[in-house]
Amino acid sequence: DAGITQSPRHKVTETGTPVTLRCHQTENHRYMYWYRQDPGHGLRLIHYSYGVKDTDKGEVSDGYSVSRSKTEDFLLTLESATSSQTSVYFCAIKGRLAVGYTFGSGTRLTVV
Amino acid sequence: TQLLEQSPQFLSIQEGENLTVYCNSSSVFSSLQWYRQEPGEGPVLLVTVVTGGEVKKLKRLTFQFGDARKDSSLHITAAQPGDTGLYLCAGDLGSRLTFGEGTQLTVNP
Repeated sequence: DAGITQSPRHKVTETGTPVTLRCHQTENHRYMYWYRQDPGHGLRLIHYSYGVKDTDKGEVSDGYSVSRSKTEDFLLTLESATSSQTSVYFCAIKGRLAVGYTFGSGTRLTVV
Repeated sequence: TQLLEQSPQFLSIQEGENLTVYCNSSSVFSSLQWYRQEPGEGPVLLVTVVTGGEVKKLKRLTFQFGDARKDSSLHITAAQPGDTGLYLCAGDLGSRLTFGEGTQLTVNP
């Protein structure tokens, strides 16, 4: 495997609480991404990082923040979870063109 | 609004039939990637097409990139139950990928 792990795999949290999801890579790739996947929407980009402390917003960034203090770790924080953030979250790393993006196994988050 | 329009969204066919999935956009991409996703897992790359007009074959799967690099298609010949899954096209915008909505394919034995 490409060496990308997400934690936790499943989480149930209450509305209004902060939540942090973790993505860890062992590949030393510069680019890391957080996507969310919902029925009928494919994968939508939340935030991405192009280096330590270098991040940028994606198309659905409202209500989310990210941090990257080390090359191997990319954290996604839901500052105050809402039911609309119930989703499956995927982390990805960008490899060479022939390799494409490698995705983690996902975190299923339920906000109740 | 999705930058990439993928169709059909759902497809249920019998084993042995052929099918085509389309991915269309008004934007030009430097490359287009196709992924397949199984339940409970992340998407896995099938192929990357880079050159306008390019055709790539992967066993029974044929991928085509439009001449203007705005659209792509995936054709499966003689589909098998093992082809069941979610197929996603993704356009390369340089620093990130943008995905279509996906096509959920079910091949019945």
